[in-house]
Amino acid sequence: DQQVKQNSPSLSVQEGRISILNCDYTNSMFDYFLWYKKYPAEGPTFLISISSIKDKNEDGRFTVFLNKSAKHLSLHIVPSQPGDSAVYFCAASARNYGQNFVFGPGTRLSVLP
Amino acid sequence: DSGVTQTPKHLITATGQRVTLRCSPRSGDLSVYWYQQSLDQGLQFLIQYYNGEERAKGNILERFSAQQFPDLHSELNLSSLELGDSALYFCASSDPSGTGSYEQYFGPGTRLTVT
Repeated sequence: DQQVKQNSPSLSVQEGRISILNCDYTNSMFDYFLWYKKYPAEGPTFLISISSIKDKNEDGRFTVFLNKSAKHLSLHIVPSQPGDSAVYFCAASARNYGQNFVFGPGTRLSVLP
Repeated sequence: DSGVTQTPKHLITATGQRVTLRCSPRSGDLSVYWYQQSLDQGLQFLIQYYNGEERAKGNILERFSAQQFPDLHSELNLSSLELGDSALYFCASSDPSGTGSYEQYFGPGTRLTVT
């Protein structure tokens, strides 16, 4: 049973437009969420996080939105750049139960010039 | 550069063999995590160590074991290898000096190929 789902395996966006990557989770105890970016032949790189006490967190071109009632979060990248082309992983953790993060399967983003 | 190092970068071995993967966390990080990424799969959490002690276990097979040493580096031991163990193995670290930071910083991974 996948506790963290990223239902879009891939996404293509034109350079300069908005990229929206979605993530759904099933475990209501999850209270901390991370997004990672991964380039081929490299380890995942931390992008942005959000705690369940917030519904939005922004860092430069990256914004994460959390809808707890829908158990849904999304990562917005504005404006998208070709260098953003990578696989994006959503991860969730029930912090009160330790730091055991559950990762989604990832979404491959391609930003077209 | 995340500050997490992993060796070796690539490893090719035969079925039934045993290998050891090594990870050095970022300076000061107390937690080390091991993940497995098989082809086209997400990251599967295997095990976490915190300051030398096992903290959490995920989908780790009994043929696999890990430890964290006093200098905080960690090793993942994989034995009786099977073809299905071929994957990327990532190490991550977090929690600099017990401040409770939860972001994990990943190493570049070890690509294991079992033939």
